[in-house]
Amino acid sequence: EDKVVQSPLSLVVHEGDTVTLNCSYEVTNFRSLLWYKQEKKAPTFLFMLTSSGIEKKSGRLSSILDKKELFSILNITATQTGDSAVYLCAALLMDTGRRALTFGSGTRLQVQP
Amino acid sequence: KAGVTQTPRYLIKTRGQQVTLSCSPISGHRSVSWYQQTPGQGLQFLFEYFSETQRNKGNFPGRFSGRQFSNSRSEMNVSTLELGDSALYLCASRPEWRESANTGELFFGEGSRLTVL
Repeated sequence: EDKVVQSPLSLVVHEGDTVTLNCSYEVTNFRSLLWYKQEKKAPTFLFMLTSSGIEKKSGRLSSILDKKELFSILNITATQTGDSAVYLCAALLMDTGRRALTFGSGTRLQVQP
Repeated sequence: KAGVTQTPRYLIKTRGQQVTLSCSPISGHRSVSWYQQTPGQGLQFLFEYFSETQRNKGNFPGRFSGRQFSNSRSEMNVSTLELGDSALYLCASRPEWRESANTGELFFGEGSRLTVL
């Protein structure tokens, strides 16, 4: 059974801290790992990682994938209150006739002023 | 460009009833997926439609069904509602469905929050 596990489940930090969110996966026919941010309702896309060891960066957020150890991390530096959200990772699998995203249960990040 | 639109945003039903949720994808997007989100189970894949055909299906009972119309709008239906069906139902669209497509980005709607009493 395909599985994506995120840790920690929740995290409380202060503004300015750096956080690392973890995502491990066991997915057959793995293609890519995606990160989403969900603030209230609609998750919004952050990154898609397909190649191992290549960091993707967007402002204070960065992410990297390790396809050998089957995990990804999302780093947020100099956190701000606006970073408070649930961060979801999802593994994209693709094979003949099938394509699916399996999501983890998310990490709830709360950034305090 | 308008985003993914879901209606209704909130609804309350009682056990045994049925419900229909609607999703209008971003203009030009032909693939629509449905997800159920609950605190305990996270985001779980229900099904994906492209060109009015169901392309993928998650592990949900037959009470959960869906369809897609020629204008790419999609509906999902849940019959004989159970308390455990209370959840946020999210719809997501993307431009096309192709096995070789290497883009996984989905554009999500705000969801329909269903409460079953």
